[in-house]
Amino acid sequence: EVQLVESGGDLVQPGRSLRLSCTGSGFTFEDFAMHWVRQVPGEGLEWVAAISATGGSRGYADSVRGRFTIFRDNAKNSLYMQMKGLRVEDTAFYYCVKVAGADYYNNYFDQWGQGTLVTVSS
Amino acid sequence: EIVMTQSPATLSVSPGERATLSCRASQSVGSSLAWFQQKPGQAPRLLIFGAFTRATGIPPRFSATGSGTEFTLTISSLQSEDSAVYYCQRYDNWPPWTFGPGTKVEIK
Repeated sequence: EVQLVESGGDLVQPGRSLRLSCTGSGFTFEDFAMHWVRQVPGEGLEWVAAISATGGSRGYADSVRGRFTIFRDNAKNSLYMQMKGLRVEDTAFYYCVKVAGADYYNNYFDQWGQGTLVTVSS
Repeated sequence: EIVMTQSPATLSVSPGERATLSCRASQSVGSSLAWFQQKPGQAPRLLIFGAFTRATGIPPRFSATGSGTEFTLTISSLQSEDSAVYYCQRYDNWPPWTFGPGTKVEIK
């Protein structure tokens, strides 16, 4: 059974940094691209960042480009997102999402973690 | 950026009745369209990919059609457990991979 478990969500002050982690199991982690998707409680879904299976290709939403960095450690079956310069509007549940292939282009999002809550507030 | 819209925002349907949800893309996404179901307190779950292919374990009362810019998700005989928000999403070649705003399906 595929499992994705996020961690690292916390209450932080504006301008601070935070690192989210996601550990995958039940599949060959290094074979699949991954995404982060966020959701403000009670609102819709927003794609945040993507990384290819090898980690050699990455993409970001305009809202986080230059502040967030997605990376992965395939030896540890883990996906990360380093978040810097956090803003109040970054408050959301952050989901780790697996796609159905090695490339994040034109591959559907087939498995989601349960999410981790990031709250940015003074 | 391709914008995804969904209608209606809320749909109230009696058990056993049909629910029809619409999704529209501002530009063609071909067949790179997925549907997700999200229940309160849960992560989204993949229902449909490739515009019409049911994901593993999804019951046949869920069906979908469409291509290009117009897509439809149909729940043929609504069950109480189908109460949820349904999102469409494009996943074609160009980021950002946007989601529609969702349709909330309520049981009458």
